[in-house]
Order: sequence, then C-alpha cells, then structure tokens
Amino acid sequence: DVKVTQSSRYLVKRTGEKVFLECVQDMDHENMFWYRQDPGLGLRLIYFSYDVKMKEKGDIPEGYSVSREKKERFSLILESASTNQTSMYLCASILGGLTGELFFGEGSRLTVL
Amino acid sequence: AQRVTQPEKLLSVFKGAPVELKCNYSYSGSPELFWYVQYSRQRLQLLLRHISRESIKGFTADLNKGETSFHLKKPFAQEEDSAMYYCALLNNNDMRFGAGTRLTVKP
Repeated sequence: DVKVTQSSRYLVKRTGEKVFLECVQDMDHENMFWYRQDPGLGLRLIYFSYDVKMKEKGDIPEGYSVSREKKERFSLILESASTNQTSMYLCASILGGLTGELFFGEGSRLTVL
Repeated sequence: AQRVTQPEKLLSVFKGAPVELKCNYSYSGSPELFWYVQYSRQRLQLLLRHISRESIKGFTADLNKGETSFHLKKPFAQEEDSAMYYCALLNNNDMRFGAGTRLTVKP
C-alpha cells in the first residue's frame, strides 16, 4: 500500500510564527502536492512539485513556500502564520502520467491564534 | 486555465433513491477526470476515473465533452454513500478539485 504520511495531525500556532508541515511518501512518486481544504471551498492547490527541487505554484501560493530536497519528502512552510491560514492541509502524491491515482495523507489541522 | 465546478454544496436523498452529483469543467485540452470521496474520519480516496469507464460501489460517471460535464450517478443510494465527493481534473502534473458536494443519504 502507498503511504503518504504527514508528520503532524494537529498543530496550534500563534500569529507570526514559522510553521513547517512535513509530508513523506514511500512509493517513489515523482509528483507531490499540497492542498488546503476548507468547507465550501473544497481543495485548493497551494503548490505542487514534479521532481526534486522543482516546484510550481497552484491557485493560492501567497503566504506559503515549499521545499523538495528529496524525492520522498515535500514540506510546506508558512513563513509568518496568520489567522486566515487556519485550515486543514492535505498532502498527496501521484506517480507521473495521466492515469495515476492521487494518494492522500491524513491531513494536518492547523489552528493559528 | 482548468476549472472544476460542483454547483451543489449539499445534496440529500433518501435510501434507495437515485442520486446525481454534478460536475462541470472548463479545459481546452482533452481532460482526465476523476471522482474522489472522503468518508467521515477517513482519507480522501479515489472513487473512479473516467478513463477506466468502471462502476465502483454502484457509481458511474460519463464524460460528456459537449456539455463539459462529468456527473456522478448511482441508481439506488445507500446510507453508507454519505460522504464528501470531489470532482477533479488532471492536466499533466497538475490536479485541480471542485468545491465538493456533501451527500447525505437518509434512512
């Protein structure tokens, strides 16, 4: 079974803090994604990466950055957390190619106070 | 740019009734479309993909390029179908989702 593991299930941070969300997949997938999931808005793509050290902006990259130093790990960074970044964050990975299935982590629920 | 629209945020049906969850897309190329489902307290997971033309858990979805739609259908809904459903479009390495529809199947 493909495993996508997100390091933190629940985090509580204060405004202005730097936040790291880590994601690791164990199936040698090329492509990895970070989404945020909000009621009524669905999943919105923040960033994705199709290879090590490669990244592409999604729909809502403002206030976020990412790092992909190794193929299996894709990190989401909030340089200075704000209350409007309180959300559920989902990491996913997919084998390259059009017919691949996206595999999701369990999600990281971030609350910014 | 690709876009996926799910016009219904909430959908409620009785057990045994037919159900249709709507999905429309805008994309200039040849789309790869999917339905994902999230049951309560579970991970988001693939339900079906249009390229496979498969039926999963009694659900089917037909790609209608003329209407740019990919609606999800089931003739007889079951209580265990209650979940959040997302339509998604894959373009090269980029997967975009709709806002989702919460389906509730009442006994």
